Amino acid sequence: AQTVTQSQPEMSVQEAETVTLSCTYDTSESDYYLFWYKQPPSRQMILVIRQEAYKQQNATENRFSVNFQKAAKSFSLKISDSQLGDAAMYFCAYRRGGAQKLVFGQGTRLTINP
Amino acid sequence: DAGVIQSPRHEVTEMGQEVTLRCKPISGHNSLFWYRQTMMRGLELLIYFNNNVPIDDSGMPEDRFSAKMPNASFSTLKIQPSEPRDSAVYFCASSFPGSNQPQHFGDGTRLSIL
Repeated sequence: AQTVTQSQPEMSVQEAETVTLSCTYDTSESDYYLFWYKQPPSRQMILVIRQEAYKQQNATENRFSVNFQKAAKSFSLKISDSQLGDAAMYFCAYRRGGAQKLVFGQGTRLTINP
Repeated sequence: DAGVIQSPRHEVTEMGQEVTLRCKPISGHNSLFWYRQTMMRGLELLIYFNNNVPIDDSGMPEDRFSAKMPNASFSTLKIQPSEPRDSAVYFCASSFPGSNQPQHFGDGTRLSIL
């Protein structure tokens, strides 16, 4: 079974600095998709960024980018120029190609210090 | 555009009572997912539907839980009878078909069983 591991239960960063959240996953599949979701205190789950495993280029969305290392099964999220509104729980998720089930990691709580 | 709409946002009830959670997916999305979020187990997929048909209900904890999707714009998750260990946040999500399509989440229902 596929598993997703986020080894950092909590992280903190100074406003305007850069922070990297770690995620590793375990799969024997070659076709899959990876996602980062943000859950602010409002509880809403917001898609931040996604990566297709067949793409070598790392996905970017404005201040958010990933470092996708397929051989190492690592999928870290980098947040540049951190803002107070980035404070939230961040969940890494995996989905096998051809399937629809999302498998989530346990989450990392990110605090932004002003 | 309206996102996934869930109701109620909060539900507090006594154990033994029937609980019904409701979800309206994004128009045009024909995949619908029910998740449960707890501190102990994180985010778990309970069941999902494609074109109103249940595809995978292996995550439904026990027979007390049931889910229906009578049409493309409405789904319910019912717990009868409810127990204190059912207390959690329940999310509904929807997407276009295909494993590369991101799931869009509702705001969740916080359920407390006393």
